[in-house]
Amino acid sequence: NAGVTQTPKFQVLKTGQSMTLQCAQDMNHNSMYWYRQDPGMGLRLIYYSASEGTTDKGEVPNGYNVSRLNKREFSLRLESAAPSQTSVYFCASRASVWYQETQYFGPGTRLLVL
Amino acid sequence: QKEVEQDPGPLSVPEGAIVSLNCTYSNSAFQYFMWYRQYSRKGPELLMYTYSSGNKEDGRFTAQVDKSSKYISLFIRDSQPSDSATYLCAMSAPPANDMRFGAGTRLTVKP
Repeated sequence: NAGVTQTPKFQVLKTGQSMTLQCAQDMNHNSMYWYRQDPGMGLRLIYYSASEGTTDKGEVPNGYNVSRLNKREFSLRLESAAPSQTSVYFCASRASVWYQETQYFGPGTRLLVL
Repeated sequence: QKEVEQDPGPLSVPEGAIVSLNCTYSNSAFQYFMWYRQYSRKGPELLMYTYSSGNKEDGRFTAQVDKSSKYISLFIRDSQPSDSATYLCAMSAPPANDMRFGAGTRLTVKP
């Protein structure tokens, strides 16, 4: 049981390049999320998927696209990277029952855009 | 004004001290309140979860929610060096998908 896995761990891009960040979870969770974390800003939600086949914008969606490939996988794509997208990106999945909320995070992808 | 405000610290305490961490928020629709712990270069891990108002205790950790004041707290008793991490508050309104985080408070517990 690996939990939430993310690839790659670290990436350097030039301005204008594209890339896809991959995320997978093996906990059979319905909901999955993409966040970015910047110094002094905390975690900010980019996109989420409440269930397979659905995606919704979060707080900072501009410049990103997502795909919920199946129940396990949720990818984040940067079509034309900008220096402002330099950040640490976290994927998360969520289990929810009425009395307990649990959200599990992956180890993160560190992205540097030059 | 941010929806969730959290003093970033840093906060440094001696081993065994009681630590108090706090967040304030502006959105009265928030019903789910969480505290996460994040070690350096790791993903956040859920510490405490509270639905609506009240207190919740788990070992050395106590979470309090005061919705009338829009204020939440996390208390750590008998703090240990292993508690040294960044603590993030988070909250959301139903159906709990759009979670908002505080900036995080960096805590160091010195032996």
